[in-house]
Amino acid sequence: KQEVTQIPAALSVPEGENLVLNCSFTDSAIYNLQWFRQDPGKGLTSLLLIQSSQREQTSGRLNASLDKSSGRSTLYIAASQPGDSATYLCAVSFGGNQFYFGTGTSLTVIP
Amino acid sequence: DAGVIQSPRHEVTEMGQEVTLRCKPISGHDYLFWYRQTMMRGLELLIYFNNNVPIDDSGMPEDRFSAKMPNASFSTLKIQPSEPRDSAVYFCASSLRQGARDEQFFGPGTRLTVL
Repeated sequence: KQEVTQIPAALSVPEGENLVLNCSFTDSAIYNLQWFRQDPGKGLTSLLLIQSSQREQTSGRLNASLDKSSGRSTLYIAASQPGDSATYLCAVSFGGNQFYFGTGTSLTVIP
Repeated sequence: DAGVIQSPRHEVTEMGQEVTLRCKPISGHDYLFWYRQTMMRGLELLIYFNNNVPIDDSGMPEDRFSAKMPNASFSTLKIQPSEPRDSAVYFCASSLRQGARDEQFFGPGTRLTVL
């Protein structure tokens, strides 16, 4: 069974701080990895998609990296803002037509 | 495009009743996914379709659950009879031709409460 783990489950940081969210997976033969944001009571919003041939993707203040050999991905958020407060989920595709989701990291940015 | 559309947004029903959740994927997307999210189990894939054909329904928890996709712009997830343990948020997602090799776009979800 494919497993995707996100640690920590919750994170609280002061505004302006740079932070890193972690995602680890048990099988290095991934196809791609997607980071999502979920606001309370809302659906998932896609942030970044990294193909297995890529090492990182950037969008604005967000940077996601992928290290297949170690089974890890990180989501770096620069200069955090209160509006970044949400749950961040990573999802991994191992070549089939489905993503396996982590349990998420709940981020709170304190003004 | 309006994105993935789901209805209803909230559903409260009594145990034993039939529940039908609806989804309209993004136009042109060939793959459609149904997920269930709970605090205990997180986000789980229930079933997905490719070009309106169910490909993998191994995540459907019981025979009480069924899903259909009669055309490219509409899918339903039905629970009959419903039970309190079915209470969860149900998401529909769609993606372009290569399925999970492309980004998945999620709808806002249907919050189901079974009393």
